[in-house]
Amino acid sequence: KAGVTQTPRYLIKTRGQQVTLSCSPISGHRSVSWYQQTPGQGLQFLFEYFSETQRNKGNFPGRFSGRQFSNSRSEMNVSTLELGDSALYLCASSPQPTSQPQHFGDGTRLSIL
Amino acid sequence: GESVGLHLPTLSVQEGDNSIINCAYSNSASDYFIWYKQESGKGPQFIIDIRSNMDKRQGQRVTVLLNKTVKHLSLQIAATQPGDSAVYFCAEPTAGGTSYGKLTFGQGTILTVHP
Repeated sequence: KAGVTQTPRYLIKTRGQQVTLSCSPISGHRSVSWYQQTPGQGLQFLFEYFSETQRNKGNFPGRFSGRQFSNSRSEMNVSTLELGDSALYLCASSPQPTSQPQHFGDGTRLSIL
Repeated sequence: GESVGLHLPTLSVQEGDNSIINCAYSNSASDYFIWYKQESGKGPQFIIDIRSNMDKRQGQRVTVLLNKTVKHLSLQIAATQPGDSAVYFCAEPTAGGTSYGKLTFGQGTILTVHP
């Protein structure tokens, strides 16, 4: 069974631009969560989606948004990029929100110039 | 608690030694804990988990111990191998039991295994 797939793996943007990252969960998994990983703050929760609905949201500004499609694939969008948005963005999936544990993809490395 | 991540604890061991990685958690109501391993350039990989009604759980070469009195978790790796070199994170769900999809991670510990 294929794991969580995140695209693209690497992305370079400039300040002020926007970006969309994609996540395809493990087949049959309907719960998707996003995390931001930086050297300074570690791993921080962004959002959780299930059945196309956002269930939980982390403490990030409104520039960070996400959505989930009917096939469980998810995207996250960051608008008006700032230098501090440079990070590894990780997606994790599980069959349902109450399923344990989450399984992670290898992330998208976003660099802001 | 919140992950801080700026100065990660490090553990350096010789191949074949046993390793113990520690983690303190903040929420006494947490009912489930997870250990992840993250190798360079990859996402976190699930190692082992434990529910709060257990004190100990064993996997292949790994054991997790839970001390709820002092809110402490430890991961023991037996006969550590160079392939075990990675950053190890503990994590706990923090959505009040309604979801395990919102995890709070510890700061991580860098394990280096020398041949």
